[in-house]
Amino acid sequence: DGGITQSPKYLFRKEGQNVTLSCEQNLNHDAMYWYRQDPGQGLRLIYYSQIVNDFQKGDIAEGYSVSREKKESFPLTVTSAQKNPTAFYLCASSIQVGMNPQHFGDGTRLSIL
Amino acid sequence: AQSVTQLDSHVSVSEGTPVLLRCNYSSSYSPSLFWYVQHPNKGLQLLLKYTSAATLVKGINGFEAEFKKSETSFHLTKPSAHMSDAAEYFCVVSDRPGGGNKLTFGTGTQLKVEL
Repeated sequence: DGGITQSPKYLFRKEGQNVTLSCEQNLNHDAMYWYRQDPGQGLRLIYYSQIVNDFQKGDIAEGYSVSREKKESFPLTVTSAQKNPTAFYLCASSIQVGMNPQHFGDGTRLSIL
Repeated sequence: AQSVTQLDSHVSVSEGTPVLLRCNYSSSYSPSLFWYVQHPNKGLQLLLKYTSAATLVKGINGFEAEFKKSETSFHLTKPSAHMSDAAEYFCVVSDRPGGGNKLTFGTGTQLKVEL
């Protein structure tokens, strides 16, 4: 079955560390997205990518970085510059940017030790 | 500019009774509207979408929503709640055709279903 795989499901980070969250899709979608979800809030867009080797900042990109070297992969790095990284992170994809719906992975929950 | 307001943060119903989750939107253009459901520690699953076709949209699991332009509303309903419907529901708006990359999410409504 096609879908989006996020790993790990739970991740712990020490202060000052960078961590990378994995997102892989086998839907052959061009567009991929990273969202952050905090309790009582809707999802907020961190970064998105329309195509390989291209990505754009979303609403809350500070303290995060991404890469898109392969169509099926869109890893997110949470850097030490992100002062409040504890959240639930969701990866999504769509056929193209501008085409919905978006399909979501099951998320990674990041916590600070 | 676009925005979406989910009018209830929590809704509690008895199994077998109707469900109503309310959503109002604001959009500068003809909006695309979506409802997603999220079960605990899971991603979001699309329930239904409105993209300027029929105003009454039927989705999965017996849910439907009606687009009312005059009221700027897109409320989600289901005639009879099931225990498995307990989850968080998000109303989502985009003012770009098909949704685009700019989706605005509501803050969510937690649905509780009691025996």
